[in-house]
Formats: sequence, C-alpha cells, structure tokens
Amino acid sequence: KNQVEQSPQSLIILEGKNCTLQCNYTVSPFSNLRWYKQDTGRGPVSLTIMTFSENTKSNGRYTATLDADTKQSSLHITASQLSDSASYICVVTTNSNSGYALNFGKGTSLLVTP
Amino acid sequence: SAVISQKPSRDICQRGTSLTIQCQVDSQVTMMFWYRQQPGQSLTLIATANQGSEATYESGFVIDKFPISRPNLTFSTLTVSNMSPEDSSIYLCSVARGQNTDTQYFGPGTRLTVL
Repeated sequence: KNQVEQSPQSLIILEGKNCTLQCNYTVSPFSNLRWYKQDTGRGPVSLTIMTFSENTKSNGRYTATLDADTKQSSLHITASQLSDSASYICVVTTNSNSGYALNFGKGTSLLVTP
Repeated sequence: SAVISQKPSRDICQRGTSLTIQCQVDSQVTMMFWYRQQPGQSLTLIATANQGSEATYESGFVIDKFPISRPNLTFSTLTVSNMSPEDSSIYLCSVARGQNTDTQYFGPGTRLTVL
C-alpha cells in the first residue's frame, strides 16, 4: 500500500476555475512535504515545501496547506490556466538514521480546458 | 537549482536489447539518483549513483539489470539490460547538492518503450 495517497486520480476543469488536490500520508518520521508539478515530457518541478510547523505556503496561484496532525495536505489552484495542465505529485520526505527518503504519491493528472 | 539534461529523450527498443541513458548536470553535484516512473505509478528510486564507487541499489533493483556509472561529479549513466516490455517506463535522473538529499532537482526523463 502506497504510504502517500493522492486524490482525485485525474481532474478536468474549465479555464479560470479553481480546484483543490488532496494528499494523505502515513509515512514517518515526517521531515517535509512538497508539491511538484510535472509537465508532459518533463521532470517534476517543486512548487512548494512545508515543514512540520507550517500549515500554509503560497507560490503565485498555488497554495498548499498542511495538517500534520491528520497527515493531510492540499494544493489549491486559483484561476486555472491552460498551462496548469500537468501531473501534480505530493512528496513526503522522511528523515531517519539512514538519511532522507522521498516518498512519492502517484500524482493527480489535471487537464484545464478552454 | 541545476540544469539537467538526459539522452535520449525517448527510445523504442526491441526485447532482449540494452539501452544506456545519460544524465548530464551543468555543475558539480554531490548526489545523483536514478528513478523509474511506470505508467500510473509513483516515482520509484532505483539507485543512488556514487562517484568513484558502486551504486547503492534499492530493494528490488540489481546491478546486473541496471548497471550505473558515475565517472565524475557532473555525469552518470543508467543501462537497462536485457529489456522486456515490463521495462517500458520513464527513467529520470535527479541531483542533490551537499548531503541534503531531500532537495532534489529532476531531469526531463527518458521515455522508454520496449516491444
């Protein structure tokens, strides 16, 4: 069972609309949580990073939230644009005696249509 | 950040053959990694490419199947050996500076299709 679960698996929205993507995780010990954007044919690019003490982080039209108690995060996209069409991947980093480990969700595939 | 290039960007290969993927970084980095991204699946770490020594493989991945080289601090190769259709995937390299491996920058990936 994947320890980083994302929902929905895919999403289609109209240009200009808002949307929210979800990420639930069970991995520990928690170090940080990142949201990545992966365009087709490209590698993932980090959008936001949050540590345990942060509960919201914005990057332009992207706003990520984190509830470390319930182990949930969301990525809210405001006023979507066609260029937002991509896969959004939630990555939870754990830090143990053996070092950092990145735990990847399967991603949410977002399609923004005109 | 880091500028990372991969070659080839995509390839279609026959069963039983091998393909070597190159990863080039625009500056020296401490850590380089190779990932596999199968359709509909999350990124999975194959191995850490260590400069001057053997790569460190994750559970489920072996050197005979995925030999890795890292001759210097800016370059690494991953070979997918004796390929089967199950190896069809996107292969990505990533890099990290210093020992802070939680901050990784990813290459554009190599899309491999095995017939």
